[in-house]
Amino acid sequence: LAKTTQPISMDSYEGQEVNITCSHNNIATNDYITWYQQFPSQGPRFIIQGYKTKVTNEVASLFIPADRKSSTLSLPRVSLSDTAVYYCLVGDPLGNQGGKLIFGQGTELSVKP
Amino acid sequence: GAGVSQSPSNKVTEKGKDVELRCDPISGHTALYWYRQSLGQGLEFLIYFQGNSAPDKSGLPSDRFSAERTGGSVSTLTIQRTQQEDSAVYLCASSILRGLSYEQYFGPGTRLTVT
Repeated sequence: LAKTTQPISMDSYEGQEVNITCSHNNIATNDYITWYQQFPSQGPRFIIQGYKTKVTNEVASLFIPADRKSSTLSLPRVSLSDTAVYYCLVGDPLGNQGGKLIFGQGTELSVKP
Repeated sequence: GAGVSQSPSNKVTEKGKDVELRCDPISGHTALYWYRQSLGQGLEFLIYFQGNSAPDKSGLPSDRFSAERTGGSVSTLTIQRTQQEDSAVYLCASSILRGLSYEQYFGPGTRLTVT
């Protein structure tokens, strides 16, 4: 399974756009990139998933360059409630790993007023 | 609809005792996962069940850990002869394949404290 590297922590202010970049240099052809969000004392929550180029939903955007060796989660106009740990995961949802995902250390985002 | 539920929410046990943690996945979800998370750490994969296939036990830290999934639904994680290093939050997740997405839905976790 591809290993991911992301910053341990980031600080931001309310209303700003936050971009969290994840490196996954040995991503495999069939791997997808998924981001999860975790608040204290809760289980992680799915945010967004993509394979290449750009994916956007009501919560975030995911930018994936052509070589797929990195990805960037973009949170528009963050609020205090976006303070959480964000995990980048890489895995093959259809392979014999069957969707098993390996969570790294995550990025602790702190949004200040 | 109902999400993933776990019980108990908190468990305090003495070193050396056995504990059982329960997970009720979302109805119809074919895949079920157990993770644990130590204080301030990321999630550590433990075991994975998919349909009727043999479980992937590659993440279990020792033979004191075991898990079963009955009838393709409820799962129990058993830790025998608990040690203090077993103290952590144990998270269960379930998922179903929709298109190319295995989005995992997590339960609230069981906080295990071994004294």
